[in-house]
Amino acid sequence: AQSVTQLDSHVSVSEGTPVLLRCNYSSSYSPSLFWYVQHPNKGLQLLLKYTSAATLVKGINGFEAEFKKSETSFHLTKPSAHMSDAAEYFCVVRVNTGGFKTIFGAGTRLFVKA
Amino acid sequence: DTEVTQTPKHLVMGMTNKKSLKCEQHMGHRAMYWYKQKAKKPPELMFVYSYEKLSINESVPSRFSPECPNSSLLNLHLHALQPEDSALYLCASSQVRDSNYGYTFGSGTRLTVV
Repeated sequence: AQSVTQLDSHVSVSEGTPVLLRCNYSSSYSPSLFWYVQHPNKGLQLLLKYTSAATLVKGINGFEAEFKKSETSFHLTKPSAHMSDAAEYFCVVRVNTGGFKTIFGAGTRLFVKA
Repeated sequence: DTEVTQTPKHLVMGMTNKKSLKCEQHMGHRAMYWYKQKAKKPPELMFVYSYEKLSINESVPSRFSPECPNSSLLNLHLHALQPEDSALYLCASSQVRDSNYGYTFGSGTRLTVV
């Protein structure tokens, strides 16, 4: 079955420390993968995407993610957290099931402590 | 213009009311989506329009009625809603359906049914 799993429902970091948000996927074919961020009472904003080019993808606001096919993972990282990074993050996979389908992960809430 | 604009931002309606949500984009995208998002949950797909034709209806109750008058506009007509329909309603667009480039989301309409 095609799916996406975000391994942590909540992550808490201190400002200035690294961020790691974990995402694993299941897909029979090479998927496209995305990370979106959602601040409270806002829409979702695309942070970055992997579409079968470079496996290390750089996005906005200093975020990056690495596609690891052997581990079926697409973890989101940032070297140094900022207070403004506190938000909900969604890992999203686009799979081919005889037609394309977009599947959202359950989300990870990032808390940033001063 | 790289935005999806949703109006109104907030809506309170009674269970006997009829109201409409509006979504507009001018990026030339040919796919538009309605999502429903409950608190602390990922967005749930409701409807997809592709080239102004209804492509997907995810078994949404008939009290929700989508409309795509042209390639830039998407409406969601609401009638006889229930309190459990209270949620954030998100509109999104993409170049084509389930695009490899990801989606652009609006800021949403916060709907409260009383």
